[in-house]
Amino acid sequence: AQSVSQHNHHVILSEAASLELGCNYSYGGTVNLFWYVQYPGQHLQLLLKYFSGDPLVKGIKGFEAEFIKSKFSFNLRKPSVQWSDTAEYFCAVLSGNTGKLIFGQGTTLQVKP
Amino acid sequence: DSGVTQTPKHLITATGQRVTLRCSPRSGDLSVYWYQQSLDQGLQFLIQYYNGEERAKGNILERFSAQQFPDLHSELNLSSLELGDSALYFCASGRASGTDTQYFGPGTRLTVL
Repeated sequence: AQSVSQHNHHVILSEAASLELGCNYSYGGTVNLFWYVQYPGQHLQLLLKYFSGDPLVKGIKGFEAEFIKSKFSFNLRKPSVQWSDTAEYFCAVLSGNTGKLIFGQGTTLQVKP
Repeated sequence: DSGVTQTPKHLITATGQRVTLRCSPRSGDLSVYWYQQSLDQGLQFLIQYYNGEERAKGNILERFSAQQFPDLHSELNLSSLELGDSALYFCASGRASGTDTQYFGPGTRLTVL
């Protein structure tokens, strides 16, 4: 069965620090990958997605992610975090040709001002 | 604002009761997806409808059912409620049937007492 694993459950950073959140998936075929963010008390918002093409994907709010097929990874990065980036981050993969999104456990990011 | 609306925002009910959650997709989207978010299970896919027909099923209990109406809004019915059904229920919508970006609504927080 497909699965998504996010290595870090809770990350605490100071403002201006660089961020990298790990995501690994298990699926051997064509993958469609997503990062969603959930700010406190709010719904999931799409940060970025990878369907095909350039493995380095740029998203909103200065986030980017790199798809590395050989490592089954899709790590999220941001060079300099802000206090407003405090949120929960979810990596997800689309299961086959269905619309089923399989989510990782989520990573809570806390940015200290 | 993703354009997906969900009502009600909050629902408090007792064990054994039945509730209906409602979702209106973004304009032009034919697919509706339901997800459950709980502390112990994380984000779990429940079911997908595309243009009125069920397309994919996930970890949805037999006590739960859904449908999508001709105007494309969807309802998720939860019956014989148990304490463990307390969770956030998200609806998402997308243009196509499968490999497509899903946009999430604000969610309905269900509390079963």
